[in-house]
Amino acid sequence: EPEVTQTPSHQVTQMGQEVILRCVPISNHLYFYWYRQILGQKVEFLVSFYNNEISEKSEIFDDQFSVERPDGSNFTLKIRSTKLEDSAMYFCASSRGQGAGQPQHFGDGTRLSIL
Amino acid sequence: KQEVTQIPAALSVPEGENLVLNCSFTDSAIYNLQWFRQDPGKGLTSLLLIQSSQREQTSGRLNASLDKSSGRSTLYIAASQPGDSATYLCAVRPHGQNFVFGPGTRLSVLP
Repeated sequence: EPEVTQTPSHQVTQMGQEVILRCVPISNHLYFYWYRQILGQKVEFLVSFYNNEISEKSEIFDDQFSVERPDGSNFTLKIRSTKLEDSAMYFCASSRGQGAGQPQHFGDGTRLSIL
Repeated sequence: KQEVTQIPAALSVPEGENLVLNCSFTDSAIYNLQWFRQDPGKGLTSLLLIQSSQREQTSGRLNASLDKSSGRSTLYIAASQPGDSATYLCAVRPHGQNFVFGPGTRLSVLP
């Protein structure tokens, strides 16, 4: 069964550095998402992306975050100047559509550790 | 603002038991609801999705119900197995928006 793949599985970065998290969504999916989960807390929505544009973003997704689909297969999340509080598990998801019957499929996540 | 809660926070049962996990949400105007399974340090595996117009969905030993008017969903697991041990997350999608997740129920099925 097709799946969402994320790389790397674990990223360790010094505070203030830029980091790029990568995702390959399921190939025939059109909608892409990033979520994060701080250790011990709920999964939180960050951003959704469709047709090369952000379609929705949460309050968490401030100016230090950006997303890009640089080619036909990858979807990236960039954090410009990382902070300690950015340490979390970041999940990428994709869906074929946004209808009520369309589930979102998640990757295994990237654990981001900011030192 | 939509809030999602899940009860119990943790559950430990002997193998073979049937069990029910509960999810409550504050705003009944939802588009759909999705149940996920999360293994430690892993991603989210989609289990069942219920559209707002549906009452229940079944997949194997899993059955999820939705009572939108009361803001509740239940996930029923029949004949539990040790391999079912994981955290189960409920996520609600308000209209035109993206998922709001509950805190999860951590399930341990003892052999």
